[in-house]
Amino acid sequence: NAGVTQTPKFQVLKTGQSMTLQCAQDMNHNSMYWYRQDPGMGLRLIYYSASEGTTDKGEVPNGYNVSRLNKREFSLRLESAAPSQTSVYFCASMGVGDRTEAFFGQGTRLTVV
Amino acid sequence: AQRVTQPEKLLSVFKGAPVELKCNYSYSGSPELFWYVQYSRQRLQLLLRHISRESIKGFTADLNKGETSFHLKKPFAQEEDSAMYYCALSGASGSRLTFGEGTQLTVNP
Repeated sequence: NAGVTQTPKFQVLKTGQSMTLQCAQDMNHNSMYWYRQDPGMGLRLIYYSASEGTTDKGEVPNGYNVSRLNKREFSLRLESAAPSQTSVYFCASMGVGDRTEAFFGQGTRLTVV
Repeated sequence: AQRVTQPEKLLSVFKGAPVELKCNYSYSGSPELFWYVQYSRQRLQLLLRHISRESIKGFTADLNKGETSFHLKKPFAQEEDSAMYYCALSGASGSRLTFGEGTQLTVNP
């Protein structure tokens, strides 16, 4: 059981480049989330998806776009990377209805130079 | 709007001492509260949630709706408890899951 899988684990981008972070879960969860983790600021929600076909902005959505491709996959895209987007990104998924715990991916360490 | 506040960014205690990590929340409905733990460079994992009222690794947390708090406690800290701890809040099913700023706990020998 893989749980939540994120790719890539590490990435270095130049300012202005674009990239997509991939996330997939195999637990049949309806809700999926993207967070960024920065020292002293905790986990901040970028976007989330309560179900297939829906997405909503979180606390810090500017500079990002998301796609809920299907129930399993939720991708995060940086169209034009900026140094301020240097961070560790985590994807998570959570079941709906029984309020089960959120399961997290291993994280993507992104550096924008 | 929902908000989670952890007032202490850093907390240091000695092995065997009691530890309390504070968490306050703001939410207009009936929240689901969680504590997550992140050991060095690992993914976050659930420590406990208020609805199950269980004790994990000796940690407990009580939801105080009057004070809107969900503090995490352990009577005797161990060195292996050193980690980053996050308090989190979820509202209705499928809604956003909001985290606090985190508290880095260090247990000294």
